Amino acid sequence: EIVLTQSPGTLSLSPGERATLSCRASQSVSSRYLAWYQQKPGQAPSLLIYGAISRATGIPDRFSGSGSGTDFTLTISRLEPEDFAVYYCQQYDSSPRTFGQGTKLEIK
Amino acid sequence: QVQLVQSGAEVKKPGASVKVSCKASGYTFSAYYIHWVRQAPGQGLEWMGWINPNSGDTNYEQKFQGRVTVTGDTSITTAYMELSRLGSDDTAVYYCARPGSISSLPDGFHIWGQGTMVTVSS
Repeated sequence: EIVLTQSPGTLSLSPGERATLSCRASQSVSSRYLAWYQQKPGQAPSLLIYGAISRATGIPDRFSGSGSGTDFTLTISRLEPEDFAVYYCQQYDSSPRTFGQGTKLEIK
Repeated sequence: QVQLVQSGAEVKKPGASVKVSCKASGYTFSAYYIHWVRQAPGQGLEWMGWINPNSGDTNYEQKFQGRVTVTGDTSITTAYMELSRLGSDDTAVYYCARPGSISSLPDGFHIWGQGTMVTVSS
């Protein structure tokens, strides 16, 4: 199975700053079959990015995804107050469809 | 609009089984796989398996093999996840989710149910 390792575990930033979240895969994820999700307390996850670089419907352009192979990045260009949440990456290249352990983005 | 609505919270005793439903609306139910994902309290997301509602084909995470059964009823556009031989470590929120692409095309989960809390306690 493909193991996804996210870093950092917790990221403390202020509104207006830039956030860079990393997701590293234990083996290559082909065809960029990688997604990013945002989860707020008490809510279901919601899709931000799929295909490593494509924004889901309604996602603002301050969210961007990049990377290929084993290294992927989610960037939030200018943090808004509503962006502070937990973020997960997921690969859907192979079964099982594994998730990373999550990065908590908290207000500094 | 496209949505998945799940059944309500459950409390079960160790060794029992639980069956969670996921009612789909706003799209052609048979055209999209349904996946199941769970999240233990304070923990991350764990993928459990999928069903192709059109064929009934399923695929499960190996750790759940023999304990999980995912089914679908196209007549009422509802998918079900049944987990047997429950233990305390099965206490979690269980989500159904739907990819954005039809049938077998790999995709992220664009649509999520609201989640169903399952508590296993004696």
